Amino acid sequence: EVQLVQSGTEVKKAGESLKISCKASGYSFTRYWIGWVRQMPGKGLEWMGIIYPGDSDTRYSPSFQGQGTISADKSITTAYLQWSSLKTSDTAMYYCARLTSGVQSPFDNWGQGTLVTVSS
Amino acid sequence: QSVLTQPPSVSGAPGQRVSISCTGSSSNIGAGYDVHWYQQLPGTAPKLLIYDSINRPSGVPDRFSGSNSGTSASLAITGLQAEDEADYYCQSYDSSLRGVFGTGTKVTVL
Repeated sequence: EVQLVQSGTEVKKAGESLKISCKASGYSFTRYWIGWVRQMPGKGLEWMGIIYPGDSDTRYSPSFQGQGTISADKSITTAYLQWSSLKTSDTAMYYCARLTSGVQSPFDNWGQGTLVTVSS
Repeated sequence: QSVLTQPPSVSGAPGQRVSISCTGSSSNIGAGYDVHWYQQLPGTAPKLLIYDSINRPSGVPDRFSGSNSGTSASLAITGLQAEDEADYYCQSYDSSLRGVFGTGTKVTVL
């Protein structure tokens, strides 16, 4: 069974750094793209970017370039999303999700979400 | 911001048929990129409902169906049930080399 288990709720202050994680299991981690989706409070879904853990090829939405760094550690089948200096506008639920195949494919399995709250 | 436009809300009585549109452009749906649909129940992660415009993953009832034409796509729910009350999002790919989601539609069962 494919599972994506995300790290827990985070409460941070503006300017702080943060790294959230997504632990994958039940499939070959290096053979599927994995991505991050943002959902701000009361708002819709936003495609942030994706990474192919096999070779660390990373693609960002132009809307999110420079607003978070996606990485993966294939030795522990975990993907990450990190910020060096958080802003209050980064407050959102963040989901990791696996793509079924290529970059145009849908997300077929989702993590439970990580809620990030950033205060001033 | 979203480049795929959906109606903010649709509603219907139990048993009725509702349809949700997803309007894109020549750089995404009109360019031939497939459309996928997700259902998000309150307080939960999204769930894949339709992929590659018309296909249902295993376990998704055949009350849900997808179609597309030109620069738009549609999701239809026939035989509406109370459990279908949720937010629905379309998703495609854009020639700017990114995935894009629709603005989202809240389905209310009257």
